[in-house]
Amino acid sequence: AQSVTQLGSHVSVSEGALVLLRCNYSSSVPPYLFWYVQYPNQGLQLLLKYTSAATLVKGINGFEAEFKKSETSFHLTKPSAHMSDAAEYFCAVTFNQAGTALIFGKGTTLSVSS
Amino acid sequence: EAGVAQSPRYKIIEKRQSVAFWCNPISGHATLYWYQQILGQGPKLLIQFQNNGVVDDSQLPKDRFSAERLKGVDSTLKIQPAKLEDSAVYLCASSFRASGSTGELFFGEGSRLTVL
Repeated sequence: AQSVTQLGSHVSVSEGALVLLRCNYSSSVPPYLFWYVQYPNQGLQLLLKYTSAATLVKGINGFEAEFKKSETSFHLTKPSAHMSDAAEYFCAVTFNQAGTALIFGKGTTLSVSS
Repeated sequence: EAGVAQSPRYKIIEKRQSVAFWCNPISGHATLYWYQQILGQGPKLLIQFQNNGVVDDSQLPKDRFSAERLKGVDSTLKIQPAKLEDSAVYLCASSFRASGSTGELFFGEGSRLTVL
């Protein structure tokens, strides 16, 4: 069975500081991994995805994530946080691009202070 | 390109009443999903359709929840009778599943249900 674990339900950073949101996955087959962001009262928006190409994936709004098979991790980073990055972030996994649903982690709320 | 449309955005009902949510996916997306997102948790899949057929409904509480996608386009999710623990945001998503697709899901803004 597949699953993702997001370490830390709440992360607080100062504006301009490094953002690091952690995600570990469990999968018996090569996974496809995604990060989504959810702003208050909105749906989920895709930040970036790993689909077995380059292990370092760049997404929107300056975010990136690195797939590390040896560590079963797919952590999300951003060098410098902006106030507008405050939101909830979800890591998700699937094992097949064509026909299976995403399995989501519990989410990490990112707070950014000035 | 129009996104995934959902209605209503908000609904408040008493327990044991019924409620229905509607979703219209992105044009051309054959796969449609309903997720339940309880406060403080990640979205949980309720049901997945491919065109008008059910692919996965293993986590749908079938004694009270039902969903249909009769013409392979829009879909309705119904809860009858509602329980307090059904209070959640119901997210509809769609995707274009074909050879070479990226597997991305596109989400609507969700329907927030409060059961009193």
